[in-house]
Amino acid sequence: DTGVSQNPRHKITKRGQNVTFRCDPISEHNRLYWYRQTLGQGPEFLTYFQNEAQLEKSRLLSDRFSAERPKGSFSTLEIQRTEQGDSAMYLCASSRDSMVEAFFGQGTRLTVV
Amino acid sequence: AQSVTQPDIHITVSEGASLELRCNYSYGATPYLFWYVQSPGQGLQLLLKYFSGDTLVQGIKGFEAEFKRSQSSFNLRKPSVHWSDAAEYFCAVGARGNEKLTFGTGTRLTIIP
Repeated sequence: DTGVSQNPRHKITKRGQNVTFRCDPISEHNRLYWYRQTLGQGPEFLTYFQNEAQLEKSRLLSDRFSAERPKGSFSTLEIQRTEQGDSAMYLCASSRDSMVEAFFGQGTRLTVV
Repeated sequence: AQSVTQPDIHITVSEGASLELRCNYSYGATPYLFWYVQSPGQGLQLLLKYFSGDTLVQGIKGFEAEFKRSQSSFNLRKPSVHWSDAAEYFCAVGARGNEKLTFGTGTRLTIIP
């Protein structure tokens, strides 16, 4: 069990560019979650997958955001036409099916300049 | 809608002193409650969780928390803090069938020698 892995750890991008983050969950964890954390706040739910199916999306996930989990393994989160307000820590978590206990990765810190 | 309130933004305690971090939640059904710890620039580590049963739960690193339904509280305690406990602490609420966790805004703990 190597834990939840996220790449890259840090990303600096210019406003208007597209970025993609990757999350590799703990093996055998069916559920995968994305959260966003801004400075001084707790994480906020963005979306979650059960296997390859995306089952819930927060209204925080605008049309510029898209998440995928092909084959129910790793997941990607893409942000198109980044804005300065997208600057945040993006956290991925995974859990076993039907359990609520989630294990978090170390996050990807996005800075939009 | 579920919500979590952590009324203390920042707490400073002396090394060796006792600690209590407050958490109040609002949730219509039986909640699952969690405490996570986050070191600067890192992801979240689960300290302890409450699903059901004994209302006093033990976690890692010598932490414990007590669920009080009548007060809608889930306060975190430690009898004697260590310098390595300095971090940000988050309380979260979830439930089976409601996959997303709702986090509080966190309490930053500073330890002084």
